[in-house]
Amino acid sequence: GQQLNQSPQSMFIQEGEDVSMNCTSSSIFNTWLWYKQDPGEGPVLLIALYKAGELTSNGRLTAQFGITRKDSFLNISASIPSDVGIYFCAGQLAGANSKLTFGKGITLSVRP
Amino acid sequence: DVKVTQSSRYLVKRTGEKVFLECVQDMDHENMFWYRQDPGLGLRLIYFSYDVKMKEKGDIPEGYSVSREKKERFSLILESASTNQTSMYLCASSLNKRGQYFGPGTRLTVL
Repeated sequence: GQQLNQSPQSMFIQEGEDVSMNCTSSSIFNTWLWYKQDPGEGPVLLIALYKAGELTSNGRLTAQFGITRKDSFLNISASIPSDVGIYFCAGQLAGANSKLTFGKGITLSVRP
Repeated sequence: DVKVTQSSRYLVKRTGEKVFLECVQDMDHENMFWYRQDPGLGLRLIYFSYDVKMKEKGDIPEGYSVSREKKERFSLILESASTNQTSMYLCASSLNKRGQYFGPGTRLTVL
């Protein structure tokens, strides 16, 4: 099936730094979602975006729904060690009956 | 808070056994999903259900079946487990056109 594009596969940052990751597609999506997954656990929904141009924050996390509806980005400010994990984007196509298309995820490492 | 629970965190089964994975959600969501997650392959949809007794195939339904007799419960069945079904299995639920909420996952090993 279709995948969203997330790269690079891994990112390494220093504690306290900001980090930005984006997610792109050749298709138009009606919904963009960002998840975080810790090792051995299920993904946890961080932010949901339902409208083009929407900018939403959740604590130190900010995500935006791209104007073209083909991309989204997630920004983490002032990173801390517990931000370590895999960050997935997911999108819902129009008429997709709630099915999601997922990116393969970015593994974030934070050096203390 | 949405709560999605899965019957087991870890499961070890033998080739040829019938395996049941149970998922329960407590938020009256219409939609429920089963995924498997493998390194390098990401999340792949096995089956989903948008109503009681309704089911639809996802991207990789072969070797699996599902059952949804009650709104809150969605079961994944491996009729005859094989080693290539060793994986992390994730259940999720959602309201229509809203984000999906995942359970903690079941790590299944088939020997």
